Amino acid sequence: DSGVTQTPKHLITATGQRVTLRCSPRSGDLSVYWYQQSLDQGLQFLIQYYNGEERAKGNILERFSAQQFPDLHSELNLSSLELGDSALYFCASSVEILYTQYFGPGTRLTVL
Amino acid sequence: AQTVTQSQPEMSVQEAETVTLSCTYDTSESDYYLFWYKQPPSRQMILVIRQEAYKQQNATENRFSVNFQKAAKSFSLKISDSQLGDAAMYFCAYRSRYSGGGADGLTFGKGTHLIIQP
Repeated sequence: DSGVTQTPKHLITATGQRVTLRCSPRSGDLSVYWYQQSLDQGLQFLIQYYNGEERAKGNILERFSAQQFPDLHSELNLSSLELGDSALYFCASSVEILYTQYFGPGTRLTVL
Repeated sequence: AQTVTQSQPEMSVQEAETVTLSCTYDTSESDYYLFWYKQPPSRQMILVIRQEAYKQQNATENRFSVNFQKAAKSFSLKISDSQLGDAAMYFCAYRSRYSGGGADGLTFGKGTHLIIQP
């Protein structure tokens, strides 16, 4: 158990819908990262937050957005969902920038 | 942009034997971190080992060790005394030491599926 929690574990929705994935980092970790794992693209970095502020962007679509709240939990919002958005979404956290990232168990998103 | 290549989609080894997983990377940076993560069937991503590029000594964690060749941009993982619980996907990952502009995110290879034969 890494100490990073993600909810829900599974999510099934329809095309065109919007969903929110939630992540709670390890106690004391200030930085949160979101990754997408799909068969087509493999593991891709989406976005990073540090102490409530957006820090870095990777291959995140404009339909996707994220935020980190004052209690340091983070949410990833996915809108106008397409079949190709079906994937495993991971959250990771680290104490500080450049420190080792520890991953949560992931949220499996299925878009029908 | 950095790239990470794992040329072995699948490897098989007998229990108790040694196996080496290959990873090469491409970067123009001189300072960075390299990682091996393990993803068992549960899908959890588990850190196996970490290497700082400025350290010449190869990292070791119990039965896991790496062979880091900076000039060759090679970072292989050796698993000694393989156990059934080692069966998983193994991902090699790169991260720049310079933060910001996407550099804080990990760049992953496609993974190697390791099978342990009893």
